[in-house]
Amino acid sequence: AQRVTQPEKLLSVFKGAPVELKCNYSYSGSPELFWYVQYSRQRLQLLLRHISRESIKGFTADLNKGETSFHLKKPFAQEEDSAMYYCALDSYNTDKLIFGTGTRLQVFP
Amino acid sequence: EAGVTQFPSHSVIEKGQTVTLRCDPISGHDNLYWYRRVMGKEIKFLLHFVKESKQDESGMPNNRFLAERTGGTYSTLKVQPAELEDSGVYFCASSPTGYNEQFFGPGTRLTVL
Repeated sequence: AQRVTQPEKLLSVFKGAPVELKCNYSYSGSPELFWYVQYSRQRLQLLLRHISRESIKGFTADLNKGETSFHLKKPFAQEEDSAMYYCALDSYNTDKLIFGTGTRLQVFP
Repeated sequence: EAGVTQFPSHSVIEKGQTVTLRCDPISGHDNLYWYRRVMGKEIKFLLHFVKESKQDESGMPNNRFLAERTGGTYSTLKVQPAELEDSGVYFCASSPTGYNEQFFGPGTRLTVL
């Protein structure tokens, strides 16, 4: 079964500390993985996708097929990074997104 | 350009009543998706329209839920009769053909008392 697991409900760090939000998936085949973010009072929006291999707002995520992981990382957290982060998988056959339960990131000053 | 819009933003109804949620996708987006987040759980897929056709409705919980997209523009999601477990936030998203980033609306928070 296709599944996305985000083991941490809440991650609290101080400004300037490194951040790693964990995401593991189960999927037979070649999935496309995404990170979506929802800032306070804003809508869910795409942060980055594994295919583009880009860094957005200092965040990166590498797809590790051996470990079936797609962890989101940032070397120095900022207060404005505080938000809800969702890892999602897109099955090529269906176009629907399968989400994890989300991790709330709190960055303290 | 306006993003995906949803109406209403909040709805509070009693068990047994009917509620209709509306989603207006970004103009020109053929793909329209409905998702739901129940308190404490993950955002779950409900269904996917391509233009006016239902491409995938595997996530619809039961026959109390009816989605339509007449004319391939806006979509409605009707819950009749509503039950307590239907409470949650209903998200709509849209995307153009061949582009797999989905653009989300602000959501409709449904509370069934």
